[in-house]
Amino acid sequence: DQQVKQNSPSLSVQEGRISILNCDYTNSMFDYFLWYKKYPAEGPTFLISISSIKDKNEDGRFTVFLNKSAKHLSLHIVPSQPGDSAVYFCAASGTGGTSYGKLTFGQGTILTVHP
Amino acid sequence: KAGVTQTPRYLIKTRGQQVTLSCSPISGHRSVSWYQQTPGQGLQFLFEYFSETQRNKGNFPGRFSGRQFSNSRSEMNVSTLELGDSALYLCATSDYRNTGELFFGEGSRLTVL
Repeated sequence: DQQVKQNSPSLSVQEGRISILNCDYTNSMFDYFLWYKKYPAEGPTFLISISSIKDKNEDGRFTVFLNKSAKHLSLHIVPSQPGDSAVYFCAASGTGGTSYGKLTFGQGTILTVHP
Repeated sequence: KAGVTQTPRYLIKTRGQQVTLSCSPISGHRSVSWYQQTPGQGLQFLFEYFSETQRNKGNFPGRFSGRQFSNSRSEMNVSTLELGDSALYLCATSDYRNTGELFFGEGSRLTVL
């Protein structure tokens, strides 16, 4: 039972354009959502997060949107740069402060940004 | 600040053997979590330790175990290795002040032959 799903295995965009990565979840107990970026041969790196009490969080070129009623979140990267090419993982945690070390990850989306 | 250090980075074992992986967290981080990454299953949560106590456990068989020491360093052990245990094992640490933000090590790549 995959509780966090990233339905697009890959995404290809042109440099300077917007990249939109999507993520759906099924568990209503999730109350914190994160995006991680992973380069080959490295561990995932935290990008941005959002609490379920918000519907948007912005950090520089990265914005995460949360639609709780649809159980959907998305990561927008504007403008996209070739260095953004990596695997992006959506993750979720729940039940408050006792489980932040336990994240449920999506399968990942490979983003390729072409110069 | 030094990052999360995992050792060994690569190892090859044969079926039936056991393996121990080590994780040294970022200084001040008391929470250590372990994840298994495989091409088919993605990143799967194994267990989390905080102050030497296991707080959460994922859906893995009892062959997978872990522990945390008083200096927050953690080890995980896999006994009676199976071919399907071949994976990248990632350690992630947290100080619980940056809610949900985990800092990952580069992983230990285990190959079981």
